[in-house]
Amino acid sequence: NAGVTQTPKFQVLKTGQSMTLQCAQDMNHNSMYWYRQDPGMGLRLIYYSASEGTTDKGEVPNGYNVSRLNKREFSLRLESAAPSQTSVYFCASSPARQGRGYTFGSGTRLTVV
Amino acid sequence: DQQVKQNSPSLSVQEGRISILNCDYTNSMFDYFLWYKKYPAEGPTFLISISSIKDKNEDGRFTVFLNKSAKHLSLHIVPSQPGDSAVYFCAALDSGGGADGLTFGKGTHLIIQP
Repeated sequence: NAGVTQTPKFQVLKTGQSMTLQCAQDMNHNSMYWYRQDPGMGLRLIYYSASEGTTDKGEVPNGYNVSRLNKREFSLRLESAAPSQTSVYFCASSPARQGRGYTFGSGTRLTVV
Repeated sequence: DQQVKQNSPSLSVQEGRISILNCDYTNSMFDYFLWYKKYPAEGPTFLISISSIKDKNEDGRFTVFLNKSAKHLSLHIVPSQPGDSAVYFCAALDSGGGADGLTFGKGTHLIIQP
């Protein structure tokens, strides 16, 4: 089925380790996003990419980097993981910059110990 | 400062009755509003949206009402069904703003009682 695919689904990291969360969409959407969801906090935007080759910071970008590798793929990197980055991460895409009709992936549950 | 507020963390409704989920916002530049539904261990899925030029949008059992003067919107589900049990997120967008991305509320956990 068409949609947004995130890998991995689960990950445990030690403090200071690095990792990259992968996201790919096959809907030919221009815009892609990374959100994190924490208990009682809703979803908060980390970074977004309005089109291939462009990325911008969202509400909570500190400690993260992103790469829009091509139109399909948008990765999120944690260079030095911290316990505060324990969260569920969602990637999303939308056809237009205005963010309407987001399609979300199923999430990556990350625990930093 | 929270720009989209869902003040009820949870709501319990009897099957067959109406569920009303509320959302308030503070940013007067928001001009597009959406509701997302989320089951455990899944990503949110789009439910219904409304533009600020309208005050009501209906899609089957789901209706969203927008009161711009009060900066308030609500989602009505009627009749409520067991499969409606989920977390519902209200989201808003300033389509003319420099930044992209939706601003989400904290969510309301709807529980449909049999």
